Order: sequence, then C-alpha cells, then structure tokens
Amino acid sequence: SQQGEEDPQALSIQEGENATMNCSYKTSINNLQWYRQNSGRGLVHLILIRSNEREKHSGRLRVTLDTSKKSSSLLITASRAADTASYFCATDQGGSEKLVFGKGTKLTVNP
Amino acid sequence: GAGVSQSPSNKVTEKGKDVELRCDPISGHTALYWYRQSLGQGLEFLIYFQGNSAPDKSGLPSDRFSAERTGGSVSTLTIQRTQQEDSAVYLCASSLGGKDREQYFGPGTRLTVT
Repeated sequence: SQQGEEDPQALSIQEGENATMNCSYKTSINNLQWYRQNSGRGLVHLILIRSNEREKHSGRLRVTLDTSKKSSSLLITASRAADTASYFCATDQGGSEKLVFGKGTKLTVNP
Repeated sequence: GAGVSQSPSNKVTEKGKDVELRCDPISGHTALYWYRQSLGQGLEFLIYFQGNSAPDKSGLPSDRFSAERTGGSVSTLTIQRTQQEDSAVYLCASSLGGKDREQYFGPGTRLTVT
C-alpha cells in the first residue's frame, strides 16, 4: 500500500521559478527520502533526511521534515527545464529497509 | 563504477507464459530490492534480500512470483503463468544495507503481457 502521498499530483512552472512539493505519511519513520524519475524508468536518489533532522540542503534542493505532522516538503529553487521529471517521496516505515513510495508529483518546467 | 543493471529492458510475453527478469546489483552492495511500478498501483515493494538472511517476501502479490539471489549478487525475479495485470515496469535496487542507506535503482524491465 502507498504510505506517502505527494501533492500536488502535477505542477507546471516557468524556468527560474521555485517548485514546492509536499509529502505526507502515516507511520513512524527512521528516514524519508526523495527520488526523481525521468521518463518512467530508473529512479535517482536526491536526498535523505533522518527523523531527528528538520531541514536539509543539497545544491538547489531543500527538504524539510515535520514528524509531528508526518509531512515533508521538497523545494527546488531556480528551476530549470532539466528538472522536468516525476518526484517521489519514500519512507522506511520505522526501520524496515523496504521503501514505501508515494504516488509522485509530476513537475514540468517550461523554458 | 557500474550502476545497477537489469535485463531485458523490455519483455513482451503471452498470457500464461513464465518470465525471468535479471538484476545485477552494484558490486559490494549487500542489500537488493525488487519493486514494481504500474499505472494503477504506483511503486510497490516486492521482495528484499539482505546478505545471508531470509528474504523479506512480504510484497509479493501472489505465489506466481518468486525471486532468488545467487552468491549474494545477481538476482532473478520469476513470474509464472503471467497475467495481464502483471504488466508493469519491474525495478531493482541495491544498497550497502543497514539503516539510513540510499537505494540505487536500475533502469527497469518493462513487462507487457498480451
């Protein structure tokens, strides 16, 4: 079953704008991860945030985690056309190594 | 170094036939995972191998699905008597295992059952 739920399901923005995607989950976690998928094939790991962290940065990516609300957000700043992809959050369900993925946000960055 | 590889990249099979999908994990990764991605169900966990421990098969949808991992490296996912609902992209991932590890995904095998 899907634990993470991302919103919005689809997001279309202009190049240079910021994109924010949200994820909610239901059970306790040790970590939450964000992945990107191009063209419906392999996933690329973007960032992992642990349950005792509140914010993490990697390049143009900023991830926040609020364990009290069981939610996370992914912010992509100064978006580029190459950022066009589907973005998924995934949780480990309290220590299990198997990941439970949300349904994803499809981001389109228009040049 | 080489990433996770999967073969074949595409497979078309007739309903009722058996198929085998192969995954070569990153060298040195002790953990290997299989996931399935379909339009209706999103990304679903299927099975997980960690070292010499018994695999976690909790995500396998039916007893037609099985997987093995030989020598702690290559894994094969077998689907017997394929059904149309088995059509999906099958993704393999590997990791160093343990807590808070990122998983590295292969390009997937697109299975179409006609």
